[in-house]
Amino acid sequence: DTGVSQNPRHKITKRGQNVTFRCDPISEHNRLYWYRQTLGQGPEFLTYFQNEAQLEKSRLLSDRFSAERPKGSFSTLEIQRTEQGDSAMYLCASSLWPQETQYFGPGTRLLVL
Amino acid sequence: QQQVKQSPQSLIVQKGGISIINCAYENTAFDYFPWYQQFPGKGPALLIAIRPDVSEKKEGRFTISFNKSAKQFSLHIMDSQPGDSATYFCAASKNFGNEKLTFGTGTRLTIIP
Repeated sequence: DTGVSQNPRHKITKRGQNVTFRCDPISEHNRLYWYRQTLGQGPEFLTYFQNEAQLEKSRLLSDRFSAERPKGSFSTLEIQRTEQGDSAMYLCASSLWPQETQYFGPGTRLLVL
Repeated sequence: QQQVKQSPQSLIVQKGGISIINCAYENTAFDYFPWYQQFPGKGPALLIAIRPDVSEKKEGRFTISFNKSAKQFSLHIMDSQPGDSATYFCAASKNFGNEKLTFGTGTRLTIIP
């Protein structure tokens, strides 16, 4: 399968713990996006990368959130000191800029107890 | 603030009927309008997209109608099938889709026999 992959698919953690998610984009895709989706809502933009450069961060991305794409391939999203409000589906998407289509992965569902 | 408003929240259509989902946007800088389909447990998948230089785009049973002056666009699904039962999201982006997507809140479509 050559689509976007995300790991883990599910994560349960206790409040205050740190969690890290990984996204592997479609091969050769130079843009990588992170979105967050809560139940019954559309995905909300968090941040995106062009190769290894982080080009934009949403105001939703508090200082407890950090994302990296060190070699311009896979990306990680870390949440420190998790809160119950962080419970959501975290979606990754990639595109081959300047083509506009964003291809989404299956997401990582986070539950903070 | 919600930049893309979507209605209805849920929709039930009989098999063979026409499903219509509407979206309205506020930011006149948006110039790329995709529709995504999402099945439970999966990431969103691009269905069809339009740019504001055309008023309609058709791909198979799916048609986008676009009204630039009203800042509205809609998805029509002709001959709706049970396999079309999913959640549909409209979205909008600037720079011909080469920026973050702003999503609507979603429409849960159910096709009944």
